Amino acid sequence: QKEVEQDPGPLSVPEGAIVSLNCTYSNSAFQYFMWYRQYSRKGPELLMYTYSSGNKEDGRFTAQVDKSSKYISLFIRDSQPSDSATYLCAMDTGFQKLVFGTGTRLLVSP
Amino acid sequence: DAGVIQSPRHEVTEMGQEVTLRCKPISGHDYLFWYRQTMMRGLELLIYFNNNVPIDDSGMPEDRFSAKMPNASFSTLKIQPSEPRDSAVYFCASSPQPTGTGELFFGEGSRLTVL
Repeated sequence: QKEVEQDPGPLSVPEGAIVSLNCTYSNSAFQYFMWYRQYSRKGPELLMYTYSSGNKEDGRFTAQVDKSSKYISLFIRDSQPSDSATYLCAMDTGFQKLVFGTGTRLLVSP
Repeated sequence: DAGVIQSPRHEVTEMGQEVTLRCKPISGHDYLFWYRQTMMRGLELLIYFNNNVPIDDSGMPEDRFSAKMPNASFSTLKIQPSEPRDSAVYFCASSPQPTGTGELFFGEGSRLTVL
């Protein structure tokens, strides 16, 4: 079993839809939870970061962490074609050694 | 700031050849990471350095892989001899002292194809 599981997609939605991306994990030592966005042929870039359980909102993006269920989510409101990318969840025990999910490819059509 | 710079961006080589990938981290970042990305396995950490010292190389697949960081502004990842299964995108990333945010700054990657 992988430490971090993520549905590869692709997930196709129309512009303006609400998108939900999810990851599950098995290591209860993870304390830091991140979402990275990766455009085609580019390196990943940090999108959202949360520490421990709870929610964090940044514009159209909301990250949720449920440590009791070992489940994290990223919600995108009013999705735009420019949101089309691969979204990678990542987790860290605190020693700067991130473990990544395999990524979910999102396609937002105009 | 120029960001993390990797070279070459693309490399096509034949099985058995030596491959050297290069990375220049962001100035002032004390941590440097080498990742490999494939469709099947996603992003996998190969090795990381702190202040030019290798800290964890448990992700290096086998003795054919080696990494060095001779100074704070340069690192190499070498594969010798290369095999077709090494075909992947190799990313270098750097990070400042641990802040708890876990933000890594990635380069644009080196796409390796071994025939």
